[in-house]
Amino acid sequence: NAGVTQTPKFRILKIGQSMTLQCTQDMNHNYMYWYRQDPGMGLKLIYYSVGAGITDKGEVPNGYNVSRSTTEDFPLRLELAAPSQTSVYFCASSYISYEQYFGPGTRLTVT
Amino acid sequence: AQTVTQSQPEMSVQEAETVTLSCTYDTSESDYYLFWYKQPPSRQMILVIRQEAYKQQNATENRFSVNFQKAAKSFSLKISDSQLGDAAMYFCAYRRNSNSGYALNFGKGTSLLVTP
Repeated sequence: NAGVTQTPKFRILKIGQSMTLQCTQDMNHNYMYWYRQDPGMGLKLIYYSVGAGITDKGEVPNGYNVSRSTTEDFPLRLELAAPSQTSVYFCASSYISYEQYFGPGTRLTVT
Repeated sequence: AQTVTQSQPEMSVQEAETVTLSCTYDTSESDYYLFWYKQPPSRQMILVIRQEAYKQQNATENRFSVNFQKAAKSFSLKISDSQLGDAAMYFCAYRRNSNSGYALNFGKGTSLLVTP
C-alpha cells in the first residue's frame, strides 16, 4: 500500500512553461486535495475533488487547473508558470470526512 | 472563513522536558474537527492528533495531548518527555465542513527545536 504518491519530487521551470504535477492514491479515497506551501507559511488549498468528475476551487486556484477522471488520480496542471508559483505542492486524500493522508510533496521553482 | 492562528513562530525545549504549542481559531460552526500535524525536515506531513469539537474529553496519543477549550476557541498541543525526533514544524489545522470538501485550514506553524 503506497498511500499517496507524487511525481516529480523536484522541478525547475522557466517562466511561461507548463507542467503537470501527478498525484495517485491507492486507498480508494473519494476526496482528494491540492495544497501549496510557501516559505514560512501553512498549507493553502488550491483545488479539491469529492469524487471522479467533480472538482472545485480552493483559496488560491488562479494559474492552475485540475481534472479527476479516475478515483486514483488527481493531476494538477500549471499553465504559463510564473515566479509566484514557486512553492512546495502537496497532494492529499481522505475517505469522506476522515483525516487526510499527504503525499511527500513536489518542490517547484519557477525562474 | 475559519482562520487558524499560531502565535509562536519558534519554540525550544530540552530533551525529556514538556512543551506546549498554542493555537487559536475562529469559527461560527458548532461541530468541527481540529488537528495537529508534524512536518519534519523530510517535508512529509504526519498527523499527530485530532480532536472532535463535540467531545469534551481532550485527545491524547502517547506523549502528545491537547488542551481543547471550545468556548475560548483554543487548541494547544502538549508534548511530554520531549525527544530529539520531535524536532519539526508543527501545524494546527481546522477542518472545514462538507460544503468545502472537508478541506483543512492551516496555521503558519511553530518550529520546535529540541536540545540535548
